[in-house]
Amino acid sequence: DADVTQTPRNRITKTGKRIMLECSQTKGHDRMYWYRQDPGLGLRLIYYSFDVKDINKGEISDGYSVSRQAQAKFSLSLESAIPNQTALYFCATSESGQISYNEQFFGPGTRLTVL
Amino acid sequence: DAKTTQPPSMDCAEGRAANLPCNHSTISGNEYVYWYRQIHSQGPQYIIHGLKNNETNEMASLIITEDRKSSTLILPHATLRDTAVYYCIVDDYKLSFGAGTTVTVRA
Repeated sequence: DADVTQTPRNRITKTGKRIMLECSQTKGHDRMYWYRQDPGLGLRLIYYSFDVKDINKGEISDGYSVSRQAQAKFSLSLESAIPNQTALYFCATSESGQISYNEQFFGPGTRLTVL
Repeated sequence: DAKTTQPPSMDCAEGRAANLPCNHSTISGNEYVYWYRQIHSQGPQYIIHGLKNNETNEMASLIITEDRKSSTLILPHATLRDTAVYYCIVDDYKLSFGAGTTVTVRA
């Protein structure tokens, strides 16, 4: 399902570098999310956006920033990458409207390694 | 803080029903119960959700107790492709994934 795409799929970078992960969706959803997953653990929410002008911090936003360039695009930036940000990153989308019903559609993930 | 409690792992025989329990004793009245699964390191996949009533779709059934403090996801005829980590999630507008239950379907 290519409705939610993430680029790059894999990235190796060095400590201190700035890196951007991009997410695009063709589902027409207003809501977008960024999660990270560490080995053996569940996903943790980094940031979420309910529309283009709405950005909210999630559970673990320190060290990250986001940009919602358009309804279809939501980028995650690591301003100065550190090794403990090595993880699998997922983007997700969901419809707005029924605030209590939140089926999310996930992208394929970006595997980030910070050396 | 985790809102749900799931067993860390379980095995199931191929072709048999898999019953995955989840406790969510602090659920509030407007919170849905969601189930997702994650196969290997792919993006999680939505399975089913419910509020009060039992639900069924082409993938699974969801049984929610009357007091809503627990639920069970039922995979009626497990296949090898159902081997995955299954997450039970309770929230109102954002999802909080715990460690889930690793389900292994054996031939």
